[in-house]
Amino acid sequence: AQSVTQPDARVTVSEGASLQLRCKYSYSGTPYLFWYVQYPRQGLQLLLKYYSGDPVVQGVNGFEAEFIKSNSSFHLRKASVHWSDSAVYFCAVSAYTGNYKYVFGAGTRLKVIA
Amino acid sequence: DMKVTQMPRYLIKRMGENVLLECGQDMSHETMYWYRQDPGLGLQLIYISYDVDSNSEGDIPKGYRVSRKKREHFSLILDSAKTNQTSVYFCASSRRDRGYAEQFFGPGTRLTVL
Repeated sequence: AQSVTQPDARVTVSEGASLQLRCKYSYSGTPYLFWYVQYPRQGLQLLLKYYSGDPVVQGVNGFEAEFIKSNSSFHLRKASVHWSDSAVYFCAVSAYTGNYKYVFGAGTRLKVIA
Repeated sequence: DMKVTQMPRYLIKRMGENVLLECGQDMSHETMYWYRQDPGLGLQLIYISYDVDSNSEGDIPKGYRVSRKKREHFSLILDSAKTNQTSVYFCASSRRDRGYAEQFFGPGTRLTVL
């Protein structure tokens, strides 16, 4: 069965600084990979996804992520964060085990400070 | 307008009472999901529905049941609610079970069982 690890429960960065949120997955094949964002009192929204091709995928609001198969990682990056990026970010993996099964990481709470 | 709605948004019940959470979507998605979200645990899948009357248990189905009589509606039922079912519940939908399909989430229902 697949699993997802987001090792950082909380991350604090200064506005304008760069950001990397880490995600590692466990699955024997090549999974489909996602990053979702959750703003306060809202549901999750898709930021970006990878399912084939260029391992660097672009998402909304300047976010990107890179699939590194050799490292089983799919880290999320942003060159310059804004205070409005403060939210909880979830990495997710979808893999085939008879049916496709989505597994979410525990989430990383990002706080952007002035 | 692609939307997933959930009713009610907030609910307080006493232990032993029955609970009905309702979810609707306007995208004609075949697949729908119920998750619960608890601090530090991310999202845990309770049930998945592949279409009308085609439901499967997720990872934590105990204490819950579901009903899907129309493609656009998916209900979560707690018979005799327990205090450990206090949580935030999210409904989501996606196109027919394809691993790379985005899930669209509702705003959540915050359930408190006293």
